[in-house]
Amino acid sequence: DTEVTQTPKHLVMGMTNKKSLKCEQHMGHRAMYWYKQKAKKPPELMFVYSYEKLSINESVPSRFSPECPNSSLLNLHLHALQPEDSALYLCASSRPGQGPTNEKLFFGSGTQLSVL
Amino acid sequence: EDQVTQSPEALRLQEGESSSLNCSYTVSGLRGLFWYRQDPGKGPEFLFTLYSAGEEKEKERLKATLTKKESFLHITAPKPEDSATYLCAVHSYSGNTPLVFGKGTRLSVIA
Repeated sequence: DTEVTQTPKHLVMGMTNKKSLKCEQHMGHRAMYWYKQKAKKPPELMFVYSYEKLSINESVPSRFSPECPNSSLLNLHLHALQPEDSALYLCASSRPGQGPTNEKLFFGSGTQLSVL
Repeated sequence: EDQVTQSPEALRLQEGESSSLNCSYTVSGLRGLFWYRQDPGKGPEFLFTLYSAGEEKEKERLKATLTKKESFLHITAPKPEDSATYLCAVHSYSGNTPLVFGKGTRLSVIA
C-alpha cells in the first residue's frame, strides 16, 4: 500500500463552521505533513509531525489546528475560516531520518476547500 | 535561504515535439532534488530524486539530469497525457523545512 488517503475530497463550509480534514497512510511512515496550495502556486508547508509530535508549525493561524492521534492518522481541524483560506489542502507522508531519501514525500489527492 | 526557480512558467508543445524544463537552485548543501508531476486538483506525484551532479534518471518519456546549479527534465516525443504541472523541489542540509518547491512549469501537449 503506497497510498495516502484524504477525506473528504471536497468541502464547502461557512465562516462559522467547524470541520475536520482527515489523512491516513499505512506505509509505516513516521513523518506526516499538511500543505496548502492555491491555484497555480506551489504547495506551502503548514505543519510537520514527526513520530506523532508537532515538529514544524510554519506560523499558521490558530484557526487551523492539527492533530496526530497515531502514526497512521493526521487531522486538520478548521474553525472560523476566512474566504481566503479556500485552497487545496494536501497531506503527505515520508520516512524521517533514513538518509537522503527521507524527504521523498508521498502526497494524497487533497481536499478542495471552499469557504463561503 | 534555499531558493528554487523553474522556467518556463508555461510551455505549450505539439505532440512529438521534445523539450526541456529547467530548475535552478541555490542551497548551501544539497541533500536531494525532487521532481513531481501534478494534475489539476490532485496531489503531486513523485517522479525522480537526484542526489549528486552528473546523475541521470529516466522514466518512459522523461529524463531528469542534475548539475551543481540546476536540473533539467527532458521530455522526449511528448503525448497529450504528459500535460501537467511539473514541480521541482530541493531538500538541503541547512534548511529547516523538508522541501522547498519551485513554482512549477505548466506543460500543455497539443495533439
